Amino acid sequence: RKEVEQDPGPFNVPEGATVAFNCTYSNSASQSFFWYRQDCRKEPKLLMSVYSSGNEDGRFTAQLNRASQYISLLIRDSKLSDSATYLCVVSQGGGNKLTFGTGTQLKVEL
Amino acid sequence: DTGVSQDPRHKITKRGQNVTFRCDPISEHNRLYWYRQTLGQGPEFLTYFQNEAQLEKSRLLSDRFSAERPKGSFSTLEIQRTEQGDSAMYLCASSSGQETQYFGPGTRLLVL
Repeated sequence: RKEVEQDPGPFNVPEGATVAFNCTYSNSASQSFFWYRQDCRKEPKLLMSVYSSGNEDGRFTAQLNRASQYISLLIRDSKLSDSATYLCVVSQGGGNKLTFGTGTQLKVEL
Repeated sequence: DTGVSQDPRHKITKRGQNVTFRCDPISEHNRLYWYRQTLGQGPEFLTYFQNEAQLEKSRLLSDRFSAERPKGSFSTLEIQRTEQGDSAMYLCASSSGQETQYFGPGTRLLVL
């Protein structure tokens, strides 16, 4: 079993749609949680950190449920430029290594 | 550009050859990480340094792989006797010890 599990997709959605991605992690010692975005043949870039209280950054909302070991990302009013692979990432904190899921591919269409 | 840089960006080699990649982190960052990513997968951790000390190595890092960060600045990753299974994107990241890791553009290796 992978330490971080994600549905690989692809999720094909029309422009303006709301789309949600989910992720589960198995290591209960995980302390830090992130969503990274990766465009085709590019490096991963931090989209947002995820906090227990939930957090929002513009059209993006992230939630963490420590009891269920579950992380989510909601994208509202999706745009063509949101097309990318979204990587769920966990860490034991303190600058330790990142553990990535396989990524969920999103395609936003006209 | 003051981000993480990697060299070369692409490398094609024949099976059995040795290859070396270089990573230059963001200048004030004391932590440097190496990851490997194959098609359809997320990046997998290989090793990381705090300053010049190598603090952790993944079991993925076989004895054919060696990484160094001699002066606590740039790092090199060497693969000896390359195999076709080594074909991947090799990503370097750096951080200041805070959580956010910033990734370089990667070195794409193809072993023929």
